[in-house]
Amino acid sequence: GAVVSQHPSWVICKSGTSVKIECRSLDFQATTMFWYRQFPKQSLMLMATSNEGSKATYEQGVEKDKFLINHASLTLSTLTVTSAHPEDSSFYICSARGTGEPYEQYFGPGTRLTVT
Amino acid sequence: GQNIDQPTEMTATEGAIVQINCTYQTSGFNGLFWYQQHAGEAPTFLSYNVLDGLEEKGRFSSFLSRSKGYSYLLLKELQMKDSASYLCAVVDSNYQLIWGAGTKLIIKP
Repeated sequence: GAVVSQHPSWVICKSGTSVKIECRSLDFQATTMFWYRQFPKQSLMLMATSNEGSKATYEQGVEKDKFLINHASLTLSTLTVTSAHPEDSSFYICSARGTGEPYEQYFGPGTRLTVT
Repeated sequence: GQNIDQPTEMTATEGAIVQINCTYQTSGFNGLFWYQQHAGEAPTFLSYNVLDGLEEKGRFSSFLSRSKGYSYLLLKELQMKDSASYLCAVVDSNYQLIWGAGTKLIIKP
């Protein structure tokens, strides 16, 4: 149980375009989903926290107009990187938290974004 | 501020035992997680400690001392596949995960 999927697993896009990444909890209801970014050889950096049906809470320094997060249902959250630039190239990982768990986050497999 | 400290890198021999330490200073404490992360992959859950003491799970064990703000992950009978980064993360008073930078473990034959 507690499986989280991400789609796509990798994507290459041109500078200036937008990319949407989906995060789904497959066998549980995710009341909260988290979006992380990880640069090579660095730890996870939390970008934003989203609760189903409400606006996402962004971490300091993360542009909410650039990284659009939607959490429309208890099983789906999306991250859209708008007007992507090469410096947005990174490994994006989502995680989901259900109810009744010891605050464990179940991670998706990640999405490798390369902006050319 | 909130701070999680782990060694950057450790090297051990196949079949041996290794202990990865984690010290933390956070605003509140609601548990500590250890995750394993192979290169290019997402983290996978290893253990969760919220009470003092040792939790054993197969070859992996995790220890917590809340009074000392200290935890360690103990890996026994090391295998080559254990080569990975090991992340320590603390749940703070707002139930947010505060992440350490991770310890890269290199296993040599």
